[in-house]
Amino acid sequence: EAQVTQNPRYLITVTGKKLTVTCSQNMNHEYMSWYRQDPGLGLRQIYYSMNVEVTDKGDVPEGYKVSRKEKRNFPLILESPSPNQTSLYFCASRPVSNYGYTFGSGTRLTVV
Amino acid sequence: QKEVEQDPGPLSVPEGAIVSLNCTYSNSAFQYFMWYRQYSRKGPELLMYTYSSGNKEDGRFTAQVDKSSKYISLFIRDSQPSDSATYLCALNTGGFKTIFGAGTRLFVKA
Repeated sequence: EAQVTQNPRYLITVTGKKLTVTCSQNMNHEYMSWYRQDPGLGLRQIYYSMNVEVTDKGDVPEGYKVSRKEKRNFPLILESPSPNQTSLYFCASRPVSNYGYTFGSGTRLTVV
Repeated sequence: QKEVEQDPGPLSVPEGAIVSLNCTYSNSAFQYFMWYRQYSRKGPELLMYTYSSGNKEDGRFTAQVDKSSKYISLFIRDSQPSDSATYLCALNTGGFKTIFGAGTRLFVKA
């Protein structure tokens, strides 16, 4: 089944404790993105990647890091999480030729 | 001014009604227009994908783009309780960035 897999689905952590949210896709898509979704603000792009070793900032990159060492994986790293990063996070991928994303099931992160 | 405006609702309709969901946008460079459906506790799912102006139909769903008015619509015919979800519009100029509307919550009552 073609899909984007994110882990974990739920995560509660404390301020300052580094964490990584994993994302993997099995569709050989070139483009991958991370979004956060907050009530009233919709989906905002954090980082995106056009291919292996090629990444760029989205609209809200502060406090986040990403890497794309393999085409299928695009982890999101929070080196020192803060409460304002409490949100619902989605990883998504798409091919170069189509602007429609396939989304993962989401990771609900709470930073206390 | 936001790049994309979408009424958050909620919109409540009886089963069988025709639903109209809309977004307005400000950037005339947008060329690709999408609608996503998002059920509670799930990721958005691509529903409709259109390029430039015109209509596209898929079953009970019709997507309409009016570039002259910078207005896009999604119509749902014969709405069902299973259509209850949040619907997000999304736009792209043909580059790396996709802009999403904040979503409209739809409730279809049996």
